[in-house]
Amino acid sequence: AQKITQTQPGMFVQEKEAVTLDCTYDTSDPSYGLFWYKQPSSGEMIFLIYQGSYDQQNATEGRYSLNFQKARKSANLVISASQLGDSAMYFCAMSSVSGNTPLVFGKGTRLSVIA
Amino acid sequence: KAGVTQTPRYLIKTRGQQVTLSCSPISGHRSVSWYQQTPGQGLQFLFEYFSETQRNKGNFPGRFSGRQFSNSRSEMNVSTLELGDSALYLCASSFGTTYGYTFGSGTRLTVV
Repeated sequence: AQKITQTQPGMFVQEKEAVTLDCTYDTSDPSYGLFWYKQPSSGEMIFLIYQGSYDQQNATEGRYSLNFQKARKSANLVISASQLGDSAMYFCAMSSVSGNTPLVFGKGTRLSVIA
Repeated sequence: KAGVTQTPRYLIKTRGQQVTLSCSPISGHRSVSWYQQTPGQGLQFLFEYFSETQRNKGNFPGRFSGRQFSNSRSEMNVSTLELGDSALYLCASSFGTTYGYTFGSGTRLTVV
């Protein structure tokens, strides 16, 4: 079974600083994908970034980058130059490429950006 | 292009009643997944449908059921509602597992 662990229930970061949100995973699937989503207080889930298990390079999307360390089974999200609008819940998730297992989520990290 | 549409946005039901929630995926997406989100349990996977077939199922009682139609629209039904079923129900659609999952805005169900 797949499992996602996010050990930071909450984090604070100063505006314009960078922040790293931790995510470790466990899976027996040889091919999988890792996702990060942002959930503001409105409730919608916003897709941020995707990393395939066989991708050679770490994924980047604007201010978001994913620090993928396959041997350590970690997929940390790095947000550079934090903005007040980044305050939200952040979820790490994974699914198998085969589709045999669904998209499963970690418990999330609540990020608060301070002015 | 249109996103994932969930209806209704808000719902209040009485314990013991049943409810049906609807999800219209992005055009071309054949996979639809449902999640229950509560403060205590977080995001829990309910089920996933792909081309009208249930592909994966989470650990929920049989009161929770779903289906997918030929146009990929999906419905989930909860019978004999309990207070603990109060939650945000999220639907996500996907073109394929490596293309990402797009979520709807959710249906917030309150059982009184």
